[in-house]
Amino acid sequence: SQQGEEDPQALSIQEGENATMNCSYKTSINNLQWYRQNSGRGLVHLILIRSNEREKHSGRLRVTLDTSKKSSSLLITASRAADTASYFCATDAGTYKYIFGTGTRLKVLA
Amino acid sequence: GAGVSQTPSNKVTEKGKYVELRCDPISGHTALYWYRQSLGQGPEFLIYFQGTGAADDSGLPNDRFFAVRPEGSVSTLKIQRTERGDSAVYLCASSFQGGEAFFGQGTRLTVV
Repeated sequence: SQQGEEDPQALSIQEGENATMNCSYKTSINNLQWYRQNSGRGLVHLILIRSNEREKHSGRLRVTLDTSKKSSSLLITASRAADTASYFCATDAGTYKYIFGTGTRLKVLA
Repeated sequence: GAGVSQTPSNKVTEKGKYVELRCDPISGHTALYWYRQSLGQGPEFLIYFQGTGAADDSGLPNDRFFAVRPEGSVSTLKIQRTERGDSAVYLCASSFQGGEAFFGQGTRLTVV
């Protein structure tokens, strides 16, 4: 079963624009992680945000977490063609079992 | 090692055969995870090890699937009597005490 749902399912933007992806989940969590996946193989860890945190930054990435709404967002600023990938959120409800969402397919056009 | 290593990277097998997929986690990581990913879907949880023991195997689809981690490091996912529906990318990840989970490149299993 999948706990999270990313929105939108697919997103196409021009290089230089910002991309925002959202993740909604169903149960209380300890932390939430965002991953990037190219070409359907290995996932690359981007950011982990804990339930007592509201926002984290890493380079061009900004993640927010709203536990009252059970949602998170990933913002990629000044997007590049190399950011083209699928992006997934994964939640940990305290059992160390990470449950993934369905993903957002981002396409950045040069 | 430097990262999570999975072998083989690709495996083609005939329906009904037995396969083993190997995962070599990051050195020192206590937790190890197996996931399965079908085309266009997110990774689906299969099993999670803490040390040598399976802490949660609730995601294993049926008794044809089994995984071991005898020395708390390398893990093997075993699939008996493979079916065409088992075709997917099998991903392994490791982490230390519930922190960031780092993934290998996966094994693409094709059952023909």
